[in-house]
Amino acid sequence: KAGVTQTPRYLIKTRGQQVTLSCSPISGHRSVSWYQQTPGQGLQFLFEYFSETQRNKGNFPGRFSGRQFSNSRSEMNVSTLELGDSALYLCASSLQGAPGANVLTFGAGSRLTVL
Amino acid sequence: DQQVKQNSPSLSVQEGRISILNCDYTNSMFDYFLWYKKYPAEGPTFLISISSIKDKNEDGRFTVFLNKSAKHLSLHIVPSQPGDSAVYFCAATGVGGATNKLIFGTGTLLAVQP
Repeated sequence: KAGVTQTPRYLIKTRGQQVTLSCSPISGHRSVSWYQQTPGQGLQFLFEYFSETQRNKGNFPGRFSGRQFSNSRSEMNVSTLELGDSALYLCASSLQGAPGANVLTFGAGSRLTVL
Repeated sequence: DQQVKQNSPSLSVQEGRISILNCDYTNSMFDYFLWYKKYPAEGPTFLISISSIKDKNEDGRFTVFLNKSAKHLSLHIVPSQPGDSAVYFCAATGVGGATNKLIFGTGTLLAVQP
């Protein structure tokens, strides 16, 4: 079956612009999470959506937002881009199962460069 | 404050030998731990997990050990293969793993030399 698909894979923006990233989860997966990966910081949790509702949020400023559609596809938006937003943005999907069963399947990521 | 720490940025081992990757955590509320592997230009892939009610979990060549009193876990790969060369992330969460808010370490780059 198809994996988690993220678009675009690479993009370059300038400071002050905004960006929207898209994620299509594995068919049947209802939970979508977003992570930011930067050198030296590992993966940092941004937010999680389940059934179109934000279920969890990480410690990121309000410039970072997201949403989930009825077909479980998700988008995240970053407004007023800063140089420090340059990162690999990873989307992950999972089934909603028993505790311990929520193994995340990650997409390949969207590499954002802010100039 | 880094709640999950991987203090070795890199590790090099010979093919066929054991690779040991270490991870420390500070939050005593964590009760579910995972290891992910990441190749360049790909997303992380799940390797193995362990609940805090266990101290060991094994899956083929991969074994994870958990020492709750020391707040330490380790991943053993035996025998190591060149295809294991990747960045390994440990991650932790609470609520028995029933959440997708994982706290990741900064990763360890494993290089397995032929």
